[in-house]
Amino acid sequence: GAGVSQSPSNKVTEKGKDVELRCDPISGHTALYWYRQSLGQGLEFLIYFQGNSAPDKSGLPSDRFSAERTGGSVSTLTIQRTQQEDSAVYLCASSLESSSYNEQFFGPGTRLTVL
Amino acid sequence: AQTVTQSQPEMSVQEAETVTLSCTYDTSESDYYLFWYKQPPSRQMILVIRQEAYKQQNATENRFSVNFQKAAKSFSLKISDSQLGDAAMYFCALKPWNNDMRFGAGTRLTVKP
Repeated sequence: GAGVSQSPSNKVTEKGKDVELRCDPISGHTALYWYRQSLGQGLEFLIYFQGNSAPDKSGLPSDRFSAERTGGSVSTLTIQRTQQEDSAVYLCASSLESSSYNEQFFGPGTRLTVL
Repeated sequence: AQTVTQSQPEMSVQEAETVTLSCTYDTSESDYYLFWYKQPPSRQMILVIRQEAYKQQNATENRFSVNFQKAAKSFSLKISDSQLGDAAMYFCALKPWNNDMRFGAGTRLTVKP
């Protein structure tokens, strides 16, 4: 079946602009995660959604970052007033649920470049 | 707090040889899973192997195996008979039951023909 998809694959924007990154999880997966991967670094947790529960936003680096998940499926990560330090690859992952026993399946990521 | 440390930014191995990637972690939780993910240049993260903390037996998946030392909080990955397609970034990850997944900074593996 189809895996996790993300769009766009690459996004170049000017400092100060808003951007929206999209994630389509695997059908039936109730948990969805957003991570940020800066150049040469590991993955930094941003936010996760589990079913209809309130999302865990503890990893969001500032109030310029927000995410929503509509209908328990597609998610959008929004970065307002982008800064150069926001440049990174943004990865989305989904799993059957958020417990430890379920593998997270990752999308190919969106490479964001802020000029 | 949960932390994952990969002390080897880069490793190289000759094709058909064996290489071991190191990972140490810290967590106060007793119930957790450990993972190794592979990220090739395509950026697609692929699960290589996982280990349940409550299991003493080391996980194996074909040419991939782990050395899980729970008391030492160590979780190394051994790749046997290395192949050119194994070249990638490898990330160690810790997932406590009621907490976020934490990733190490990664080890870039080069396979020499």
